[in-house]
Amino acid sequence: DAGVTQSPTHLIKTRGQHVTLRCSPISGHKSVSWYQQVLGQGPQFIFQYYEKEERGRGNFPDRFSARQFPNYSSELNVNALLLGDSALYLCASSKGQVRTNYGYTFGSGTRLTVV
Amino acid sequence: QQPVQSPQAVILREGEDAVINCSSSKALYSVHWYRQKHGEAPVFLMILLKGGEQKGHDKISASFNEKKQQSSLYLTASQLSYSGTYFCGTEYGFGNEKLTFGTGTRLTIIP
Repeated sequence: DAGVTQSPTHLIKTRGQHVTLRCSPISGHKSVSWYQQVLGQGPQFIFQYYEKEERGRGNFPDRFSARQFPNYSSELNVNALLLGDSALYLCASSKGQVRTNYGYTFGSGTRLTVV
Repeated sequence: QQPVQSPQAVILREGEDAVINCSSSKALYSVHWYRQKHGEAPVFLMILLKGGEQKGHDKISASFNEKKQQSSLYLTASQLSYSGTYFCGTEYGFGNEKLTFGTGTRLTIIP
């Protein structure tokens, strides 16, 4: 079985640009979450989607948005990129919502560098 | 409120035991544990629900003390493959649909 797939793996963008990151969850998983991980720190929660509805939002500015499609894949969009947005963006899928006793399976992430 | 892990880093010889602690200032619904190797994604180890149950598989186990809002991860007879950064992830209950990761513990196993 394929794991969680993310694309692209690496990305370099200029300040002010827009970026779209993509995630395909494990087959059968209906929950997708997005995390930002800065070097040396733990992942920080951005969004959670379950059954195509937003179920949680972290403390990130409105420049960050996401959506989940009918096939449960997801996109994370970031507008007006800042240097501080440089990080590893992780997508995690789960069988259920956060509080349904299932762990997360993470993708390998997208390394975003803003210059 | 990010859960605090201790120690921040530990170096062990192969075969030694380690305990990693995760403390929260808020009441917990559950605790997850993940291991992340350098340049790789976090890998799920186990989840513990409130109720104080202890879980484990192979030589890695964990406990969850609901009253103290703490969880501990136990690694016995450590192997080289156990090296990495360990994160606890905490869930705080209804209406908080997110996993908050701890400060991390870097574990290095040397031969």
